[in-house]
Amino acid sequence: GAGVSQSPSNKVTEKGKDVELRCDPISGHTALYWYRQSLGQGLEFLIYFQGNSAPDKSGLPSDRFSAERTGGSVSTLTIQRTQQEDSAVYLCASTPRMVNTEAFFGQGTRLTVV
Amino acid sequence: GQQLNQSPQSMFIQEGEDVSMNCTSSSIFNTWLWYKQDPGEGPVLLIALYKAGELTSNGRLTAQFGITRKDSFLNISASIPSDVGIYFCAGPYAGGTSYGKLTFGQGTILTVHP
Repeated sequence: GAGVSQSPSNKVTEKGKDVELRCDPISGHTALYWYRQSLGQGLEFLIYFQGNSAPDKSGLPSDRFSAERTGGSVSTLTIQRTQQEDSAVYLCASTPRMVNTEAFFGQGTRLTVV
Repeated sequence: GQQLNQSPQSMFIQEGEDVSMNCTSSSIFNTWLWYKQDPGEGPVLLIALYKAGELTSNGRLTAQFGITRKDSFLNISASIPSDVGIYFCAGPYAGGTSYGKLTFGQGTILTVHP
């Protein structure tokens, strides 16, 4: 696609439920990143994919968070047993080369846990 | 972890005024990036700086890579209402990754009054 696409744009879920957030990167971009943006804060790194592998998962806040990427394209971020502190905007970015800091971001998924 | 300190946290200006914001770090950076985030959207890259002392312009925006490599400045001249948004500085993660993992400042919220 023309840009990074994320779905859904907004998600309201009840505490304790599982949620899946989807990211469709720019076609041909091999590197994919997930970031989290809490209210009034900067972006916090979660996980990095190169192809289908995730060599850096160091930013995942707990074992309730997991992510996968298939076909070197679409990625899914899953949050199990959601908590209120998980409420944030989850942003996905992709870059065309492994060593490239000029990331292109999607519009984000705003997650609200009630 | 690595911190990027952005100031000011927010600015309220009149249309037509010039704006200046900066970002500092305790660590040396080899790249400085400036992003803008509109409400409900993901960050969009405005300017990328790769060399100490570099001064780069993009329309009414000018950014500089500080000579100490520990700071960067963004200036917006003759502000217009569509300049409203959150401006973030970012740089490569100090841990020395070979990929595009970024650290972000906490953002400067810009409001422009017509």
